Amino acid sequence: QVQLQQSGAELVRPGVSVKISCKGSGYTFTDYAMHWVKQSHAKSLEWIGVISTYYGDASYNQKFKGKATMTVDKSSSTAYMELARLTSEDSAIYYCAREGNLVCLDYWGQGTTLTVSS
Amino acid sequence: DIQMTQSPASLSASVGETVTITCRASENIYSYLAWYQQKQGKSPQLLVYNAKTLAEGVPSRFSGSGSGTQFSLKINSLQPEDFGSYYCQHHYGTPLTFGAGTKLELK
Repeated sequence: QVQLQQSGAELVRPGVSVKISCKGSGYTFTDYAMHWVKQSHAKSLEWIGVISTYYGDASYNQKFKGKATMTVDKSSSTAYMELARLTSEDSAIYYCAREGNLVCLDYWGQGTTLTVSS
Repeated sequence: DIQMTQSPASLSASVGETVTITCRASENIYSYLAWYQQKQGKSPQLLVYNAKTLAEGVPSRFSGSGSGTQFSLKINSLQPEDFGSYYCQHHYGTPLTFGAGTKLELK
């Protein structure tokens, strides 16, 4: 069965960076693009961007350019998202989600809770 | 960016009732509209895509309709497991955008 397993919760200081992982299993990883979505109480669900798991090229929501960097490691079927120069505004749950038919998100990871606090 | 406006923001209903949630897009998105269900503490799950196509395993009491800028999700004969939050999302290119959500609560 398709599974997206994300890395665990993070508690970090303002100003640092963090890298979240998302390991796909139960399907051919490189056949499906991977999206990243932010969920916060203030902004509900926000699309961060998408990365081709085959080619490694990424497309970002303008709002998250310079904040998020998406990469993939095909050898381990893992997608990564690094968030830079963290502030309290970045505190949220971050999800990876597989792109299914017609750019819908058909499988989601369990979410990674990021807390930015001094 | 395309704005997605959902209503109502919250809804109380009883088991067995039928409810409808609506979603309006700020421009024509044809039929490129998806619905997700999210239960407390869980990830969103795809229910409907392309406005009316049920995702795999989704019960037939869920139905989606609409095109252009006006869409709806109807749930017939509510079951206890249907309570949670629902989000619409357009999939007419990027950036993808979501509605603010509808919280469906047990009356």
